[in-house]
Amino acid sequence: AQTVTQSQPEMSVQEAETVTLSCTYDTSESDYYLFWYKQPPSRQMILVIRQEAYKQQNATENRFSVNFQKAAKSFSLKISDSQLGDAAMYFCAYRNSDKLIFGTGTRLQVFP
Amino acid sequence: GAGVSQTPSNKVTEKGKYVELRCDPISGHTALYWYRQSLGQGPEFLIYFQGTGAADDSGLPNDRFFAVRPEGSVSTLKIQRTERGDSAVYLCASSLFGLSTDTQYFGPGTRLTVL
Repeated sequence: AQTVTQSQPEMSVQEAETVTLSCTYDTSESDYYLFWYKQPPSRQMILVIRQEAYKQQNATENRFSVNFQKAAKSFSLKISDSQLGDAAMYFCAYRNSDKLIFGTGTRLQVFP
Repeated sequence: GAGVSQTPSNKVTEKGKYVELRCDPISGHTALYWYRQSLGQGPEFLIYFQGTGAADDSGLPNDRFFAVRPEGSVSTLKIQRTERGDSAVYLCASSLFGLSTDTQYFGPGTRLTVL
């Protein structure tokens, strides 16, 4: 069975600085997708970035980028130039069929 | 609508009661998903609809939980004989075709509290 592990329950960063959130996963599949979702207090899960496992190039979306290490089954999220609005729960997720499998989340605090 | 909507936003009920939670997906999306998020955890898959049919209900915890999507749009998650352990946020998501490549868009969830 596939599993997703986020080992950092909480992280904090100063505004304008860079922070990296860690995620590892376990699967025997070779073709799958990885995601980072943001969940603010409003509860709505918002897609931040996605990575296709067959792509070697790391995905980037503005200030958000990933470090995808397929052999190590690692998928970390880097947030550059952190903003107060980035404060939220961040969930790493895996998908190779219909369902998403989520980690337990990392709470990110951003200090001015 | 522009996004996935869920009603009610919050629901408080007593142990043993029956509840219904509603999800209205993005217009035109054929795939609909229900997830349950317990306190301090990530969402866990419950059931997936492709059109009107349940394509995968492997995440439903027991036979007290049931979901329908009779016209291939709005879905209702039904919980019978609620227990305190059912307290959680129930999230609904939809995607265009249900393909692995499709993005799942989430609603704001319904927070269920069973007293």
